Amino acid sequence: AQKITQTQPGMFVQEKEAVTLDCTYDTSDPSYGLFWYKQPSSGEMIFLIYQGSYDQQNATEGRYSLNFQKARKSANLVISASQLGDSAMYFCAMREGRSGSRLTFGEGTQLTVNP
Amino acid sequence: GAVVSQHPSRVICKSGTSVKIECRSLDFQATTMFWYRQFPKKSLMLMATSNEGSKATYEQGVEKDKFLINHASLTLSTLTVTSAHPEDSSFYICSARVLAGPYEQYFGPGTRLTVT
Repeated sequence: AQKITQTQPGMFVQEKEAVTLDCTYDTSDPSYGLFWYKQPSSGEMIFLIYQGSYDQQNATEGRYSLNFQKARKSANLVISASQLGDSAMYFCAMREGRSGSRLTFGEGTQLTVNP
Repeated sequence: GAVVSQHPSRVICKSGTSVKIECRSLDFQATTMFWYRQFPKKSLMLMATSNEGSKATYEQGVEKDKFLINHASLTLSTLTVTSAHPEDSSFYICSARVLAGPYEQYFGPGTRLTVT
């Protein structure tokens, strides 16, 4: 079974609008971490935001926020005020265990921001 | 902070030769580094976990003798693709894990390997 599922292979958004990228996960470990990474066409993986399973509040980092719904096992990324430079592949990833080392990645969502 | 470099960024080699890729954490120490492989339009596949001063842990299906990993210091891990074949052509990315906090991984810029 997939541990991380990103059901949107591609998404389009108009510049300056908000967009939500979906991510659901599956784990039986009560302690885990969820990450979002951005991969532009250059190939580098850029860390965006982190949510811990015990965190009470949704994580936010500038224009990025994570809509964490623990009961539904979802960790959607919300990008507000989209910019052309946001066009990239976005990966959701999970770390299981309090200090587990491996990350399991989803298949990614290709976001295109239209002018 | 948390910068990871990778060298070379792009390499072309002939079948049968070996290629070494370096991964360095520039401003932090990393006891654990990871090597991933990524095919076009696909997700990252973990190849191995590299621990400083000990043998790497390889994922199932990854040939240890073909993909040699050495983690000689707290800031350097190397991946050597031995006797490269065209099917080894891919994008290889390393990452380094910070020692505290959420243990996020910071990634290098990747190495595009083409075997002719």
